[in-house]
Amino acid sequence: LAKTTQPISMDSYEGQEVNITCSHNNIATNDYITWYQQFPSQGPRFIIQGYKTKVTNEVASLFIPADRKSSTLSLPRVSLSDTAVYYCLVDLNTGGFKTIFGAGTRLFVKA
Amino acid sequence: DAGVIQSPRHEVTEMGQEVTLRCKPISGHNSLFWYRQTMMRGLELLIYFNNNVPIDDSGMPEDRFSAKMPNASFSTLKIQPSEPRDSAVYFCATSQGGELFFGEGSRLTVL
Repeated sequence: LAKTTQPISMDSYEGQEVNITCSHNNIATNDYITWYQQFPSQGPRFIIQGYKTKVTNEVASLFIPADRKSSTLSLPRVSLSDTAVYYCLVDLNTGGFKTIFGAGTRLFVKA
Repeated sequence: DAGVIQSPRHEVTEMGQEVTLRCKPISGHNSLFWYRQTMMRGLELLIYFNNNVPIDDSGMPEDRFSAKMPNASFSTLKIQPSEPRDSAVYFCATSQGGELFFGEGSRLTVL
């Protein structure tokens, strides 16, 4: 399983764009990159997944360079409610394969 | 669909007692995961099932922990005997390929 490295914590202010970068130097050819969000007292929630280039949905964008050794989760115009822990995962997109969570990035959004 | 349903949401018990946590997966999801989350160790994968069969239980901390999935609609995680260090939030998650859907967790306190 590819190991991921991401910042332990980040601070931001409301209305700003937040970019969280994750390193996964030993990502395998068949691995996908997935991001989850976890609010206090809740289970993690899927945000976005990608394989290469750029993926965008109503919540975030995911940028993946050609070498796929890193990825950046971009949250446009964050609000206080975006304060959460964000996890970057790299694994096979099979659903039947174990999914390992790292420490995540704790994002604090201030008013 | 009501999502992944876990019970109980909260349990307080005394050391040495048996604890049983329950999970009802989303209908049609063929993979089920049990995670444990603590401040010190983060989100740890304990065991996962695919089509009701345990695939990898290497994360189960010791023999006091056991998990079963007798059918596609139900899974249990049992701790016998429980110890104070087992205090944590236990999450069940299910998948039908790729994205994990988490329950709201069972917060266990062992006194």
